[in-house]
Amino acid sequence: AQSVTQLDSQVPVFEEAPVELRCNYSSSVSVYLFWYVQYPNQGLQLLLKYLSGSTLVKGINGFEAEFNKSQTSFHLRKPSVHISDTAEYFCAVRAQGGSEKLVFGKGTKLTVNP
Amino acid sequence: KAGVTQTPRYLIKTRGQQVTLSCSPISGHRSVSWYQQTPGQGLQFLFEYFSETQRNKGNFPGRFSGRQFSNSRSEMNVSTLELGDSALYLCASSSEQGGGETQYFGPGTRLLVL
Repeated sequence: AQSVTQLDSQVPVFEEAPVELRCNYSSSVSVYLFWYVQYPNQGLQLLLKYLSGSTLVKGINGFEAEFNKSQTSFHLRKPSVHISDTAEYFCAVRAQGGSEKLVFGKGTKLTVNP
Repeated sequence: KAGVTQTPRYLIKTRGQQVTLSCSPISGHRSVSWYQQTPGQGLQFLFEYFSETQRNKGNFPGRFSGRQFSNSRSEMNVSTLELGDSALYLCASSSEQGGGETQYFGPGTRLLVL
């Protein structure tokens, strides 16, 4: 079974500041890793994913994440945030192979203040 | 390509009633998964369908059921509604071809049980 821990439930930052949203996972098998974003009253939008290869992945809206297998982490970063980045961010894992479900973290609410 | 669509977007029911939610996947996607999102429990996996067959099921009571049609559209049904069934129900689709590891989500159906 897999589990995901998002270490911060809320992260307030000022506009144009850098941000890091932390995600750690646990799994006995190899996994795929994802970050999704949810704006108010909307579904989940895929930000980025790690399937294999380079451990640094770039996504939409200037976000990037680094897969660290030894630390079982997949932290999300953005060098300069905008007001429009205010949303809830979910880290998720999926076991490789077959029809495996997504297991989500509890989410991190990012609030960007002017 | 059009994204995942879900109908209806909002629904109000009373305890004891039943409800059916619909999901149309991205064209060409044959796998459809359903998730429940609540403030207390977060995002939880309900079930996954592929080619009209349930491939995977989460830990929900038998009141929650689903099906998939030959055109890959899916429905989920909740019978004998309880107050705790109030949630955002999200549908996601994925392709079995390259990139099949990635699930793309619809906008969700928000169900309120009174």
